[in-house]
Formats: sequence, structure tokens, C-alpha cells
Amino acid sequence: SQTIHQWPATLVQPVGSPLSLECTVEGTSNPNLYWYRQAAGRGLQLLFYSVGIGQISSEVPQNLSASRPQDRQFILSSKKLLLSDSGFYLCAWSAFAAGELFFGEGSRLTVL
Amino acid sequence: KQEVTQIPAALSVPEGENLVLNCSFTDSAIYNLQWFRQDPGKGLTSLLLIQSSQREQTSGRLNASLDKSSGRSTLYIAASQPGDSATYLCAVKGANNLFFGTGTRLTVIP
Repeated sequence: SQTIHQWPATLVQPVGSPLSLECTVEGTSNPNLYWYRQAAGRGLQLLFYSVGIGQISSEVPQNLSASRPQDRQFILSSKKLLLSDSGFYLCAWSAFAAGELFFGEGSRLTVL
Repeated sequence: KQEVTQIPAALSVPEGENLVLNCSFTDSAIYNLQWFRQDPGKGLTSLLLIQSSQREQTSGRLNASLDKSSGRSTLYIAASQPGDSATYLCAVKGANNLFFGTGTRLTVIP
């Protein structure tokens, strides 16, 4: 069966520090991969999605970036965190564009 | 741009009641609609997926319906239990994005 792992689960970082959140999917090949952010009291916002290795689409301009170095690995990064980057980050995958979406357990980021 | 609305934002019911959660969307050109459950501080758990050509899906005590022409979906929960307490989110799939509602927070009182 397919599983999705996301880490770290919790992260507290100072403003201006770098960020790296990692997500891996097991049990499937060539998944569509997604990074979402959920801010307190707000809906989920799509940040990035990828349909293949090295193929990244950005939905929202910001100081975050994403990379897909391997088929089932998706990384969310920042060179310098802002206070506004605080939130709950969720990685997700689907087998194809119109397929069911499955989420990881999330990473809570607090920028101080 | 697609807009997804969920009403009510919060709902409290006594255990054993049947209940309906509502989801509406503005653009009927969707691929599918998915219902999720989110427990506090956790990720989203997929409950039901309805493809655009389908009218409803059932899983255990859950039944979801889809009316694309009117831009509405409902999630019916039968015989509610305290363990059903969570936030329920609906999401509609467009060409390149999944548009989420802000959810309905359900509390089932023992």
C-alpha cells in the first residue's frame, strides 16, 4: 500500500534562517506531488505541485521554493524565513491529476 | 476563480443524530469532489471521492452526493459518534488545482 511521510513534524525557526521540509511517498511510481499551507483559521493554499522529476509549478509568489530531486521525494525550502511563513505545511500526492488526494501528517512551522 | 463555501462553520449535535454537512462551489467545470476529515494538529484524511460523472459515493456511515449543475455537495453522516468530532473539508478539483472550503467543525456530544 502507499504511504506518505513528512518531516519534521514540528519546527521552530528564527526569522532569516533557512528551511527544509521533506516529503517522501512509498508504494507508487511517478505520483503527482503537492505542497499546501494551512494558516490558522484559513483554508488550504496550494504552494507548489509537481507532475515529475524536476517539474515544479508555483501557484503563489513568495520566498519559498520546491524541488523534486527524485521521483517520490518533494522538498520545500526557503533561504530566509519570514514571520508570515509560520503555518501548517502539508504534503500530498495523487496517482494522476484527477485522482484521489492523500495527505501527510503535516509539519508545523513557527517562525519567531 | 473557483470558490468553495462550507456551511455551517461549526456544528454541535448529540450522539446518535444523523447530520448533513454542506459544500457549494461556483464553477461547475470540475473533475471531482473530495471530502476530508482533519483532526486537530493533524493532516487530512480522505473520506470520499466523487468523480464528476458520479452522483454519490458511500463508505460505511458516510454518504456524499454531488450535483454539479447546482454546484453543491452534501456529506451525510448517519448515527453520529463522539469519534466523528473533527473538521470536515470539501475540495473540488479543477484543471491544475484543488480548491478547498474552510471546513465545518463538528462536535458530537456524548
